[in-house]
Amino acid sequence: DADVTQTPRNRITKTGKRIMLECSQTKGHDRMYWYRQDPGLGLRLIYYSFDVKDINKGEISDGYSVSRQAQAKFSLSLESAIPNQTALYFCATSDGKQGLDGYTFGSGTRLTVV
Amino acid sequence: KQEVTQIPAALSVPEGENLVLNCSFTDSAIYNLQWFRQDPGKGLTSLLLIQSSQREQTSGRLNASLDKSSGRSTLYIAASQPGDSATYLCAVETSGSRLTFGEGTQLTVNP
Repeated sequence: DADVTQTPRNRITKTGKRIMLECSQTKGHDRMYWYRQDPGLGLRLIYYSFDVKDINKGEISDGYSVSRQAQAKFSLSLESAIPNQTALYFCATSDGKQGLDGYTFGSGTRLTVV
Repeated sequence: KQEVTQIPAALSVPEGENLVLNCSFTDSAIYNLQWFRQDPGKGLTSLLLIQSSQREQTSGRLNASLDKSSGRSTLYIAASQPGDSATYLCAVETSGSRLTFGEGTQLTVNP
């Protein structure tokens, strides 16, 4: 099994729909992150969580919400999807020990909002 | 604010050539620097992680160096192969677990 698993891998949804992207990890890391990747804009941080009770907004949190259900699970929700949220979404983890273990990324969820 | 720049943006080389990808960052107060590989439409695969106290790391045909004081890192790929074709991303971690990425170098290795 992958260290960081994202579901679904691909999703097409309609404008205005609510959608949830899920992430689970087996690294045992406390810190989890959601990024989106757009051509020409690179990877941008949406939300991050340092532990179950600590959730923080990243650069581009508007239109998104998150839930940290357990140390190993971190989900991203789009309450009312819009076409400019079409992107490749990545979940990542890190150990938070001043970078001793680096970051581990999931395989990504390709989301298309029509 | 940390900024990471990767040069060149794209590179095309014949198979077998040795090559160097460059990464520079503006704030030298980093915990580490990580090189990733991304195939089209796929996830990020970690290649090498260099701690701030280290000068280089090696894995197979890959060698990454770090000069923190000058804000530079290089990824050296020896004897390139068509399977090395991908986008290579450089990322630095700073305090507060903030990871800043460069835009990447798109590498094509021609048979």
